[in-house]
Parts: sequence; C-alpha cells; structure tokens
Amino acid sequence: DAGVIQSPRHEVTEMGQEVTLRCKPISGHDYLFWYRQTMMRGLELLIYFNNNVPIDDSGMPEDRFSAKMPNASFSTLKIQPSEPRDSAVYFCASSIRAVRHYEQYFGPGTRLTVT
Amino acid sequence: TQLLEQSPQFLSIQEGENLTVYCNSSSVFSSLQWYRQEPGEGPVLLVTVVTGGEVKKLKRLTFQFGDARKDSSLHITAAQPGDTGLYLCAGVDNAGNMLTFGGGTRLMVKP
Repeated sequence: DAGVIQSPRHEVTEMGQEVTLRCKPISGHDYLFWYRQTMMRGLELLIYFNNNVPIDDSGMPEDRFSAKMPNASFSTLKIQPSEPRDSAVYFCASSIRAVRHYEQYFGPGTRLTVT
Repeated sequence: TQLLEQSPQFLSIQEGENLTVYCNSSSVFSSLQWYRQEPGEGPVLLVTVVTGGEVKKLKRLTFQFGDARKDSSLHITAAQPGDTGLYLCAGVDNAGNMLTFGGGTRLMVKP
C-alpha cells in the first residue's frame, strides 16, 4: 500500500511568493494533519482535519497560512506571502482515530526554503 | 496544551552500550506513542502504550508506560548504528484530544 504522499519534496522560493504544499493521505484514513518541524521548535501541529473538515487550526502561525481538504484524498497547505522564517520541513500525516489512538503515518516531508 | 518533556535531548554512545530515554509530563495520557525519525524522512511509529504499567518489547527496544500514565521510557539494549535517529514521544490526553509531541531525543550510535 502506498503511504502518505507529499509534493514537492523540496521547494526553494523567494520571500513574498506563494507556496503550495500538497498531500495525499493513506486511503481510508479519516484524519489528516499538517506539521512543521524546525530545530528550534521541534514538531509543531499546524492544523488537522477529520473527514475533510478542519477541526483545530490553532497551530497555524498567521493568516498567511491556510489549509484545505477538498476531498478525502487531497489536502493543500498554502503560505502567502512566504517569509524566510517559514523555512522548515512540513509534514503531512494521516490516521484512523477510532481504531488506533491517533497513530499517525507521516509522509516524507517537504523541505521549504524561503530566501 | 499538554506538555511532554523528553530527556536527554542529545545522546551519543558507542555501539553495544545500553541506554534509556525518558518522556515525562504532569498530565495523564490515555495513550502514548513512540516514533523514530531518520534524517530526511518523516517520523515512523514504533509502538503505542495504553495501559498504566504496560511494557512492550520490539526486538532490542523496551517501552514502558508509567503506572500513572504520565510518563514513559524507552530502553535500548546493545545499541547499534542503525538505531541512530530522533526519538519522539507523543501523547493523547484523556479527553481524546490530539497528539502532543515531545521535543525529541537525538541519538547517535557510533560504530
């Protein structure tokens, strides 16, 4: 079975540009999570969805960040405009809560560099 | 937000040594998970512990959930270079709220 798929794997962009990160969760998983990881702050939960509905976006740092899940097999995280401090690795993860205590399956991540 | 503290933050040992890393909180968790993350990859789930006092073994790795379900430990016997990575614990509180991740223990095992 395919795991969580993220694209692109690497993104380099200039400050002020729009960045869109993409995620395809594992089929059948009803929870999808977006995380950001940096050396300074570790792994931070940005937002999560249940059955395509955003449940908690309190981790989204600013209005520049937005996330959507138009269907069960696709989600996007958008940053507009991007800033150098947004440079990090962004992970998408999916889970089935009812069965597995939110055990999460992570994608390989997107390494974002904003210059 | 539940706070999970992991210690030590960094650990560098020689192949064959034993080690223990800790995950502590003042809050009670309904379950706790351990993940390992290798460079350039996402975290991979190792184990979930649910019952206070529970012990689970995964080859040379032994995981224990504290009796009060506030803490957990991971013990590695005869560490190998392949054990190198970032070890993360994550907990679900009693209200079923989302996972909180600890800051991680970065382990390096030298040949």
